[in-house]
Amino acid sequence: QSALTQPPSASGSPGQSVTISCTGTSSDVGSYNYVSWYQQHPGKAPKLMIYEVTKRPSGVPDRFSGSKSGNTASLTVSGLQTEDEADYFCSSYAGSDKHVFGTGTEVTVL
Amino acid sequence: QVQLVQSGAEVKKPGASVKVSCKTSGYTFSNYGVNWVRQAPGQGLEWMGWISAYNGNTNYAKKIKGRVTMTTDTSTSTAYMELRSLTSDDTAVYYCARGGPGGFDNWGQGTLVTVSS
Repeated sequence: QSALTQPPSASGSPGQSVTISCTGTSSDVGSYNYVSWYQQHPGKAPKLMIYEVTKRPSGVPDRFSGSKSGNTASLTVSGLQTEDEADYFCSSYAGSDKHVFGTGTEVTVL
Repeated sequence: QVQLVQSGAEVKKPGASVKVSCKTSGYTFSNYGVNWVRQAPGQGLEWMGWISAYNGNTNYAKKIKGRVTMTTDTSTSTAYMELRSLTSDDTAVYYCARGGPGGFDNWGQGTLVTVSS
């Protein structure tokens, strides 16, 4: 199972929006509405930000939104804030109780 | 509140085995699966496998299948991950995470495993 492809980096000024893509295959992202997104600050455990493509866990700001088209999922962070500067990883269910993560994207708030 | 608390850092020699524990609380253990995820220094996340806390069914990533065993102790609501025949490539922070197909909603704090001669 190959890792999902994400851009290595993305950036935006405070208040702007940034969108991160996550490209998989018809065996993972394209087959299941089970894409999730995680935020990770340095030295910390990942935090779930989006699950099942579009859903936000309680406590996650509505500035975070997810979508999917075909084999590519996306995470959009609107109204960027300094605390959004972190690494972001996507993940997809790949069938038979298996998962695959994305390569990760470092988001910088300029 | 839901908590997953992992065992402490380990230093192992090449060829040895390591067993990491993940003690859970704040929810019904058997209602959720436990996944194990690792992160090598400066690298991304790698899914290692999943165990059902309901019936003990497991599924492991192809890359480590044969070297890993995941188990649970329902009496203490604890999950375990044992990795054998360690090499320097296994040096990483190991995380347990509660969840299923939809995503992993609660994570342990991570356990650093260092493999060095």
